[in-house]
Amino acid sequence: KAGVTQTPRYLIKTRGQQVTLSCSPISGHRSVSWYQQTPGQGLQFLFEYFSETQRNKGNFPGRFSGRQFSNSRSEMNVSTLELGDSALYLCASSPRGATTGETQYFGPGTRLLVL
Amino acid sequence: GESVGLHLPTLSVQEGDNSIINCAYSNSASDYFIWYKQESGKGPQFIIDIRSNMDKRQGQRVTVLLNKTVKHLSLQIAATQPGDSAVYFCAENLGDSSYKLIFGSGTRLLVRP
Repeated sequence: KAGVTQTPRYLIKTRGQQVTLSCSPISGHRSVSWYQQTPGQGLQFLFEYFSETQRNKGNFPGRFSGRQFSNSRSEMNVSTLELGDSALYLCASSPRGATTGETQYFGPGTRLLVL
Repeated sequence: GESVGLHLPTLSVQEGDNSIINCAYSNSASDYFIWYKQESGKGPQFIIDIRSNMDKRQGQRVTVLLNKTVKHLSLQIAATQPGDSAVYFCAENLGDSSYKLIFGSGTRLLVRP
């Protein structure tokens, strides 16, 4: 099976702009989670989607949003970009969601640089 | 945030030696744990997992030990190779309906030739 894919891999934006990142999960996986990774804060949970519904959201401002499509592909959007949004954004998929015994598999990430 | 990443400890080992990477997890209710390996420029890669009803699990060259009494997890890598050089993260799942993993801060493993 193909792994989790994310596009684009690299992105440079300026403050105030908005950005959309895309994630295609492993075939058959219906749960998609997003994480932000920075040197200072490590890996932090953004949100999780299953069957087009957001089931949980992390402690991030409302500028961070996402959605999931009927084919399980997911997008996340960050509006009004700030310098502190520069990070590696990781998408992970699993069949039903991060529960006991179910592993999440990660994509390569999208490296976002905000200038 | 829930994932503390202010300090990334580094473990330096000689090629061929065994490596032990430690992790202290935060929630006594967590019932599932995963070790991930992250190489530069890549996403975290699954290594091995363990449920809370076990205290040891072995894979190919890797062993995970779980001590629930002190909320401690360790990853042992046998005969460490240069390709093992990476950052290693432990992750815990609360076993509830939060559908998220909580990650440790990570340990950088450097393998000396």
